[in-house]
This record gives sequence, C-alpha cells and structure tokens, in this order.
Amino acid sequence: SQQGEEDPQALSIQEGENATMNCSYKTSINNLQWYRQNSGRGLVHLILIRSNEREKHSGRLRVTLDTSKKSSSLLITASRAADTASYFCATVYSGGYQKVTFGTGTKLQVIP
Amino acid sequence: KAGVTQTPRYLIKTRGQQVTLSCSPISGHRSVSWYQQTPGQGLQFLFEYFSETQRNKGNFPGRFSGRQFSNSRSEMNVSTLELGDSALYLCASSMGLAFTGELFFGEGSRLTVL
Repeated sequence: SQQGEEDPQALSIQEGENATMNCSYKTSINNLQWYRQNSGRGLVHLILIRSNEREKHSGRLRVTLDTSKKSSSLLITASRAADTASYFCATVYSGGYQKVTFGTGTKLQVIP
Repeated sequence: KAGVTQTPRYLIKTRGQQVTLSCSPISGHRSVSWYQQTPGQGLQFLFEYFSETQRNKGNFPGRFSGRQFSNSRSEMNVSTLELGDSALYLCASSMGLAFTGELFFGEGSRLTVL
C-alpha cells in the first residue's frame, strides 16, 4: 500500500495566492521528498527533508516535517500558472525496506 | 549532461504479447528504479537495480522482470500482457541507492494494451 497520502486530492487557486498541500504517512521514515509532475510527464525533484529536520526552504517552496504527527506540508508562495501540476510526496521507510514510496498526489491548478 | 532517456515513449500492444522498455540513466548514476503509474493505483514501485543487481522489488507478479547492464542501462520486460498493464512506466536514476537522495526521472513509456 502507499506510504503517503496527500491532502487535498485537488486544489484550485488564483495566480498569486499561496498553495498548501499535506502529506501523511504511516511509519517512521528516513527522509521525505516532494516531486512535481506536469501532465503525463516525468517527475521532477523539488526538495528533500530529513527526519531530523523540521523545515526547509527552496525559492518559493517551504516544506515542514512533523515526525510526531507523521505528516509534512508543502507551501508554494505567490503561485504562478506554471505551477499547475501534480505534487507527490515520497517517503523512505526507516525499517529496512529502503525503497522510495510515493503518495497519491495533489493536483494543483493555478488560474491566471 | 543528458537526462534520463526512456524508449519507446509510446507503444500499443495486444493482450498476451510481451514488451520490453529501456531506460538509459544519467551518466555516472548506478541505480535505476522502475515505477508503474496508473490513475487508480498511482505510482507503484516495481524494482530497483544497482550495479547490475536487483536491490529491491515491489509487489508485482513474476510477469514483470528487469535487468541492468554493465553500463547501468536498464530494461524491464512484461510478458503475457493484460489490459490492466496499461500504464505510464517511469524509470528514475540516482547516483547512489534510490533511498539515499534525489531521483531523476525520465519522461516515461506509455503502454496501451488492447
């Protein structure tokens, strides 16, 4: 089964607004990553946050990680039409399977 | 540096046939992972190869197999195709084992089974 579940499944906002999407996972992790996928294309890595980190920034992206709640959030500030894509969290289970497991994804639409 | 290259990009097969997909990783990357993406199941891990050895395998039937060559290029094969195998097959490469860091994805091979 999927390790991560994103919420919401779909999000529609106006250009310039902030977009927040959440990822919840079930077991202890080594790290958590966020990826973006434009329609039917390959995934592009956005940011990686390790289990001992609480927050990371990259440009307009801000990722937080709460290991006690087993959840992470991705904030995109000042969104642009080009941010329209699906966003996936990916987790690495710390129990030894050592494989990257992707969540169900959030489909973001930014309306110009 | 060239990115991850997957071939073919699109293909149509009929039930019962077999298919081979190819993935050329970024130069210097030793790990290649394969994923199946469908609207209903999302991204499902198939397997990972590192230095020609299968490191990990997902929950797929034995009809799904793969291999990696000494130049790190990888192929996956699906035999006795079923309608449910229609999907976007993505490969990803990384310098070290996949779980250690960033994955670089190809554009995928879209398989349609009729």
